[in-house]
Amino acid sequence: QVQLQESGPGLVKSSQTLSLTCTVSGGSISSSGYYWSWIRQHQGKGLEWIGYIYYSGNTYYNPSLKSRVTISVDTSKNQFSLKLRSVTAADTAVYYCAREVHGDYYFDYWGQGTLVTVSS
Amino acid sequence: QSALTQPASVSGSPGQSITISCTGTSSDVGNYNLVSWYQHHPGKAPKLMIYEGIKRPSGISNRFSGSKSGNTASLTISGLQADDEADYYCCSYATSTTSFYVFGTGTKVTVL
Repeated sequence: QVQLQESGPGLVKSSQTLSLTCTVSGGSISSSGYYWSWIRQHQGKGLEWIGYIYYSGNTYYNPSLKSRVTISVDTSKNQFSLKLRSVTAADTAVYYCAREVHGDYYFDYWGQGTLVTVSS
Repeated sequence: QSALTQPASVSGSPGQSITISCTGTSSDVGNYNLVSWYQHHPGKAPKLMIYEGIKRPSGISNRFSGSKSGNTASLTISGLQADDEADYYCCSYATSTTSFYVFGTGTKVTVL
């Protein structure tokens, strides 16, 4: 059973960089056929897809966040990470990592999510 | 890309059937058979219930079924059970000119 677990600071100051890591267990992040995504949910609102990475390092980002986002992968640690620069209060949200089945466009495993609050 | 529209809440008694709608546009729901549905109990990881509009992952009860008509996808839960009480989100593949994915606004299912 694949499991994903997000980790990182729960509080980030405005204008700084939000950094989160997703640790994958029960499966290899280097397995072909899967993309590894970050998704967030603002309080009381719907979900927003941030972007994904393939184990080779190929990425694709939501154009609305592209200028501030970097997703990277560390296959030796079976982890992938999110960096979101120049954060504001609007970036306060629960951040989820998830596995996407390549080419099938759905997320078959998710982490429990981690709340990140941006403070002034 | 605007969020897909779902009813804020749906309720039913145990044993009843309920249907959650998910309305998009011809750029997402209407143009692709790539709608997925997720069940989310607060504090837990979201769980895939339906993919490609109508398919159930292994281990998901056949009480959950998906369908689509035009720009609206639907999730039906039959034989409602207490544990079905959760938030449900739809998601559709969208055009790559915006975000690859657009999610629904979410529906709170209450078992009376």
